[in-house]
Amino acid sequence: DGGITQSPKYLFRKEGQNVTLSCEQNLNHDAMYWYRQDPGQGLRLIYYSQIVNDFQKGDIAEGYSVSREKKESFPLTVTSAQKNPTAFYLCASSTTSGIYNEQFFGPGTRLTVL
Amino acid sequence: GQNIDQPTEMTATEGAIVQINCTYQTSGFNGLFWYQQHAGEAPTFLSYNVLDGLEEKGRFSSFLSRSKGYSYLLLKELQMKDSASYLCAVSDSWGKLQFGAGTQVVVTP
Repeated sequence: DGGITQSPKYLFRKEGQNVTLSCEQNLNHDAMYWYRQDPGQGLRLIYYSQIVNDFQKGDIAEGYSVSREKKESFPLTVTSAQKNPTAFYLCASSTTSGIYNEQFFGPGTRLTVL
Repeated sequence: GQNIDQPTEMTATEGAIVQINCTYQTSGFNGLFWYQQHAGEAPTFLSYNVLDGLEEKGRFSSFLSRSKGYSYLLLKELQMKDSASYLCAVSDSWGKLQFGAGTQVVVTP
């Protein structure tokens, strides 16, 4: 089945530690995105990538880093510089051809900093 | 930049109709999406409008007026499982989505 997977579903981290969230898709999509969602709020874009080996900062990139070495994979690292990392993180992917660009979402990773 | 506004919460009775409004101000427009999100889960696609008018899909319909920067999502024959957050998202010229904060719909028996 085609889709997007994120792992782990729940993640706990101590303050001062870096942590990497996994995102894999087998939809053959060129574009991939990382969002952060806080309680009662919408999704805010952290980073996005429209092609392999290229990525762009979104609205709240500070304290995060990404890589896009393979089309299928777009891991997100939450660094110790991120001051308030506890949140629900969603990965998405889409095609880049044409106007219609529905984004398909993974199940999300809930990160808690202890 | 883009600004997306939608009400925070709406309550309706099972079997009723609810209309969720979304207004937007954008520097580029490539369509408007509505997503449904249950608590702790990923958003799922409901509808897409790029031209003015009404798109109907079963119990859900979505309307767009580009000149007014306005859309609504209409949920008919409400069911308990429709209790969820509904996200309005505008696509810019580069395909990026800007999301509203979401409208929490509570369906009561």
